[in-house]
Amino acid sequence: SYVLTQPPSVSVAPGKTARITCGGNNIGSKSVHWYQQKPGQAPVLVIYYDSDRPSGIPERFSGSNSGNTATLTISRVEAGDEADYYCQVWDSSSDPWVFGGGTKLTVL
Amino acid sequence: QVQLVQSGAEVKKPGASVKVSCKASGYTFTSYDINWVRQATGQGLEWMGWMNPNSGNTGYAQKFQGRVTMTRNTSISTAYMELSSLRSEDTAVYYCARAEYSSSPADYWGQGTLVTVSS
Repeated sequence: SYVLTQPPSVSVAPGKTARITCGGNNIGSKSVHWYQQKPGQAPVLVIYYDSDRPSGIPERFSGSNSGNTATLTISRVEAGDEADYYCQVWDSSSDPWVFGGGTKLTVL
Repeated sequence: QVQLVQSGAEVKKPGASVKVSCKASGYTFTSYDINWVRQATGQGLEWMGWMNPNSGNTGYAQKFQGRVTMTRNTSISTAYMELSSLRSEDTAVYYCARAEYSSSPADYWGQGTLVTVSS
C-alpha cells in the first residue's frame, strides 16, 4: 500500500515561514490535499489538488508537489496556525484514501 | 450552508456493534460521496471507506473488510456507518466527510462521534 511520511513536529517563530513536508514514492504524479486539525475539532481542508486554496483560507497557506515530496508552506505564521496538519492522496492501487501520519505545528 | 451532523457519543461492550449516522444538509445529498475516517486519541486519521449515496456503491479499507457496512437513506439525506465485532482498539472519534469524487478532497466534515469500547 502507498505510504505518506510526514515529520512528527515542526516548530516556527511567529511571523516566520513554516514548511511541512509529505513524502511518498513519486508523489508528484498524484494530487495532494492538506488538512488542518485543531484540538477537539474536525479536520479542515486548507489546500487541495497540490496548491489550490478553498475560499476562506488565508493566502498565507500555499502548497507545492514535485518528485517524491509535497510541501505545505505557511507564511507569516500566527499563533492561530498551531495545529496538526495531514496530507492525503488518492491511490488507485490500494485503499484509495491515504493519509500521512500528521505533523504538529508549534508556534514558539 | 453545507452541514454534516453526526449522531452522539456511544459506549459499547467488546463484541457489540455500533451504528453512527451522518445527516447532510445544504446540498444535494446524492451528488457527493460520503467517506468515513476515524481517529484514535492522540493518533492520526485513518480512512475506513466510502459510499456513493446515489447508487449505494461502497468501498472499504482492507483493514475493515467484513466488519464495516456503509448505508444510506436518501429520503432523509443520512448516511450510516456500522462497525461490528467491536474491540477496545476501535475506541476513536469517527468522522463522516463529503467528497465529490474518490480523488476529490474532503471539503466538509461532520463534527465527529466518539465511540468508546469498554467492558
